[in-house]
Amino acid sequence: KQEVTQIPAALSVPEGENLVLNCSFTDSAIYNLQWFRQDPGKGLTSLLLIQSSQREQTSGRLNASLDKSSGRSTLYIAASQPGDSATYLCAVGFRVTGGGNKLTFGTGTQLKVEL
Amino acid sequence: DTGVSQDPRHKITKRGQNVTFRCDPISEHNRLYWYRQTLGQGPEFLTYFQNEAQLEKSRLLSDRFSAERPKGSFSTLEIQRTEQGDSAMYLCASSLGQDIMGYTFGSGTRLTVV
Repeated sequence: KQEVTQIPAALSVPEGENLVLNCSFTDSAIYNLQWFRQDPGKGLTSLLLIQSSQREQTSGRLNASLDKSSGRSTLYIAASQPGDSATYLCAVGFRVTGGGNKLTFGTGTQLKVEL
Repeated sequence: DTGVSQDPRHKITKRGQNVTFRCDPISEHNRLYWYRQTLGQGPEFLTYFQNEAQLEKSRLLSDRFSAERPKGSFSTLEIQRTEQGDSAMYLCASSLGQDIMGYTFGSGTRLTVV
């Protein structure tokens, strides 16, 4: 059974700091890995998607890396802002019947960026 | 098309009642997924449709739960004889083809069973 772990569970940083969120998974036979953001009481917003054949993806101040062999991914946030405060979820995807992509999520890292 | 829509946003029901949630995916997306998220946890997979066919169901989906996607468009998730343990956020997501762009999630339906 795939298990996904995210460290740290919570993080508080001053505005402007660069930070790294970690995700590890036990089964390396993944199809893809996706990072999401979730604001309190809301749905999930996709940030970055890395296919299993890729090593990293970048979008603006965000960079995500993937190392399948070691079962790890990191999300790097540059120059953090108060608006980045949210819970960040890592999800690994596996192919299922009919070609779908079933996600297994970690429990998230709750980030607070302070002024 | 503005994304994945879920209705209602919030539902409070008494234990033992039946509830039904609706999800309208992005119109061209052929795959639709339901997930459940309890407080402080990541979402857990419930079930998945490709067009109108339900192809995968989690063991979390007990016989009190049923999902449909008639004509491969919107989907409904029904919970019969609700229990307090059913209280959670129910999230719907859709995707297209080879999932090159990944999932798009809706805002969820928050269910509270009292």
